[in-house]
Amino acid sequence: QEKVQQSPESLIVPEGAMSSLNCTFSNSASQSIWWYQQHPGKGPEALISIFSNGNKKEGRLTVYLNRASLHVSLHIRDSQPSDSAVYLCAVKGTGNYKYVFGAGTRLKVIA
Amino acid sequence: ETAVFQTPNYHVTQVGNEVSFNCKQTLGHDTMYWYKQDSKKLLKIMFSYNNKQLIVNETVPRRFSPQSSDKAHLNLRIKSVEPEDSAVYLCASSYAGVETLYFGSGTRLTVL
Repeated sequence: QEKVQQSPESLIVPEGAMSSLNCTFSNSASQSIWWYQQHPGKGPEALISIFSNGNKKEGRLTVYLNRASLHVSLHIRDSQPSDSAVYLCAVKGTGNYKYVFGAGTRLKVIA
Repeated sequence: ETAVFQTPNYHVTQVGNEVSFNCKQTLGHDTMYWYKQDSKKLLKIMFSYNNKQLIVNETVPRRFSPQSSDKAHLNLRIKSVEPEDSAVYLCASSYAGVETLYFGSGTRLTVL
């Protein structure tokens, strides 16, 4: 059973700063890793995914994956108050149709 | 733009009652899911359907039963609810179980 752990549980950063979120998973054969953003009262919304070792950039988002250390990180450059939300790491296991989620990091960006 | 629709948004009920939640997706996806999100935001998969066939059935109490009439609809019925069933139930869809998950806004269930 895939296990996904996220850190920190909560993070407060000033507007304009870099926000860094971490996720570790238990199976190096996991297929892909996703980051989702969830605002209060809403369902999670996909932000970015990564499959191969290395990094991937999309706008202000950069994600780094290291399969050897079973670690993935999400970095949000120039954080904005609108980025305040819960960020969920999701790992797709070796079987289809199963995405395992971490418990999330609650990000608050202060103006 | 919302493409996964859940009803109702909220539901308050008493222990032992039966409840039903509905979900519809307009994305043309072939796979739909029910997730349970607890008060600490942890999401756990309950069921997934691919083309109306049950694919994933995690260890959930037997009082939970999913129903799919076609690949665009997935409902969830809970017979005789318990206090621990209080949570947000999130419906999601994807294509072929390998792509991005698209979530609805959830149904918040409170069991008194």
